[in-house]
Amino acid sequence: EIVLTQSPGTLSLSPGERATLSCRASQSVSSSYLAWYQQKPGQAPRLLMDGASRRATGIPDRFSGSGSGTDFTLTISRLEPEDFAVYYCQHYGRSLLTFGGGTKVEI
Amino acid sequence: QVHLVESGGGVVQPGGSLRLSCAASGFSFDSYGMHWVRQAPGKGLEWVAFIRYDGSNKYYADSVKGRFTLSKDNSKNTLSLQMNSLRAEDTAVYYCAQDLVPGLKYWGQGTLVTVSS
Repeated sequence: EIVLTQSPGTLSLSPGERATLSCRASQSVSSSYLAWYQQKPGQAPRLLMDGASRRATGIPDRFSGSGSGTDFTLTISRLEPEDFAVYYCQHYGRSLLTFGGGTKVEI
Repeated sequence: QVHLVESGGGVVQPGGSLRLSCAASGFSFDSYGMHWVRQAPGKGLEWVAFIRYDGSNKYYADSVKGRFTLSKDNSKNTLSLQMNSLRAEDTAVYYCAQDLVPGLKYWGQGTLVTVSS
């Protein structure tokens, strides 16, 4: 079973700064099956990226994803006030999903 | 427009049962598998179960295997999760989501299940 470890647990930044979030898999995974979500309090998660680097519909280009093998990164180039939220990575494998523990991006 | 609406949440005693439903609209329900994902208060996301588009195969997280049963009624565009032998650790918001490999683009708003005496 694949385990996804996200770091850091909390990222304290200011609007306009760059955020770099890490997701590490316990074994090599295909980037095609790696996704990222954003979740705000009281809301369902929102798909940001799939295939590790492909932005979902309507996601601004300040969000980018990269990585391969066991190490994946979500980057927010310049934080906007609405970007302060919790971010999860997720792997899709053999009809089951695995989520990372999340990174909270806070002001 | 894809729309998913969960219902059936509530307060139940440990050992009790509850049945969640997810009403789907805006897409060909019989062409998509569906997932349940839950989130305990203040915690992260946990995948619960998945059913294939035609209901032919079902997959469960180890934490719910043997206690939860997933079903899909393509004639009524409805997904159901029968939850038995509920435990305090099953307390969570339960979301249904459309399967769209590798990510889940469409989610419901969630329904809260509280297991407490």
